[in-house]
Amino acid sequence: DAKTTQPTSMDCAEGRAANLPCNHSTISGNEYVYWYRQIHSQGPQYIIHGLKNNETNEMASLIITEDRKSSTLILPHATLRDTAVYYCIEISNQGGKLIFGQGTELSVKP
Amino acid sequence: NAGVTQTPKFQVLKTGQSMTLQCAQDMNHNSMYWYRQDPGMGLRLIYYSASEGTTDKGEVPNGYNVSRLNKREFSLRLESAAPSQTSVYFCASSDGPRGNQPQHFGDGTRLSIL
Repeated sequence: DAKTTQPTSMDCAEGRAANLPCNHSTISGNEYVYWYRQIHSQGPQYIIHGLKNNETNEMASLIITEDRKSSTLILPHATLRDTAVYYCIEISNQGGKLIFGQGTELSVKP
Repeated sequence: NAGVTQTPKFQVLKTGQSMTLQCAQDMNHNSMYWYRQDPGMGLRLIYYSASEGTTDKGEVPNGYNVSRLNKREFSLRLESAAPSQTSVYFCASSDGPRGNQPQHFGDGTRLSIL
């Protein structure tokens, strides 16, 4: 079972920032926080990952709290094409299988 | 950028038939994976190959075999298809098996077994 908790669904207006929260209160020191998304009928798409520090790439920013018990994925300027299910996942530094929970269904509306 | 390419995209089989799902990646990745995704469920790992020449069972390996043909290609074979194997199959690859090496996915093969 997934060890992370996410809201079931969220809406966001096109052009605004989408902030997707994730709780991972039992995360251990050597586990990374990963974000993937799955657009209907496509394969999961890697977005970003982090261990302790905040991270930013061309797709998104990842903000991890100091105690590492929660994080927020930020899509700075959401577009209609960002409508998808977003998954927050913990992965040990030793590797291991990806466990996708229910995720957050993000709907970006015009 | 091709990334991870899966063929075929769709397939319908009869119970008892065999087939091979193909996967190729052009990112020079060492590790490759096969997952299945059933409606309302997350991905489940079938088999993986941490590096060329090695393969290991995942969570649901029964009824499947794999071959790591070379560094680029990792195939999944159903020897005698069963209706319970109706699913969407995803192949993924990563630089390595460690946790800081993201997996990148193909667009899947949608397999129906009648």
